[in-house]
Amino acid sequence: EPEVTQTPSHQVTQMGQEVILRCVPISNHLYFYWYRQILGQKVEFLVSFYNNEISEKSEIFDDQFSVERPDGSNFTLKIRSTKLEDSAMYFCASSTPIGARGPYEQYFGPGTRLTVT
Amino acid sequence: GEDVEQSLFLSVREGDSSVINCTYTDSSSTYLYWYKQEPGAGLQLLTYIFSNMDMKQDQRLTVLLNKKDKHLSLRIADTQTGDSAIYFCAERDPLGAGSYQLTFGKGTKLSVIP
Repeated sequence: EPEVTQTPSHQVTQMGQEVILRCVPISNHLYFYWYRQILGQKVEFLVSFYNNEISEKSEIFDDQFSVERPDGSNFTLKIRSTKLEDSAMYFCASSTPIGARGPYEQYFGPGTRLTVT
Repeated sequence: GEDVEQSLFLSVREGDSSVINCTYTDSSSTYLYWYKQEPGAGLQLLTYIFSNMDMKQDQRLTVLLNKKDKHLSLRIADTQTGDSAIYFCAERDPLGAGSYQLTFGKGTKLSVIP
């Protein structure tokens, strides 16, 4: 069964450094998302991406964040200058096969745990 | 905007039924989802229901929706120790309102006592 994959599973970085989190969405999906979950808190929406551009972003997704789909398979989240409060689990999700109608289920990857020291 | 609330903890004995509750705020037509998160793992989609439905059954899982009260529940029949996890209720952006992003509750931690 197709699944969303993410790398790395755990990333440790120093404050101020740039990190790139990588995701491979399900191949025939059209919408891609990043969410984050700070330890013990809700899963929060960061950004959605459709047709090679950001379709929606939350207040959390400020100028230090960017997303890219550099080729036909990868979807990346870049944090330019990490802060301690960026420490969280980051989940990638994809949805909506080409031609689909209906619930547009979002399928999540296993997450990347980002630790900023 | 949307808001989703859940109770934080639930403890049941193995073999009993579990009922996890959720309330949501948006009254527009939308989909509501249940996800399961096991320790250290990602979010696994369990089931979903459209907001014009009352009930959906899928093997041991039954989803009940009370539209008037905006109350959603997930019933797990014959709960097993492998059902121990955090269960998240999520509401999708209403139809036509955006990119179908999800708003999650805080999650209910289900503990199954053998």
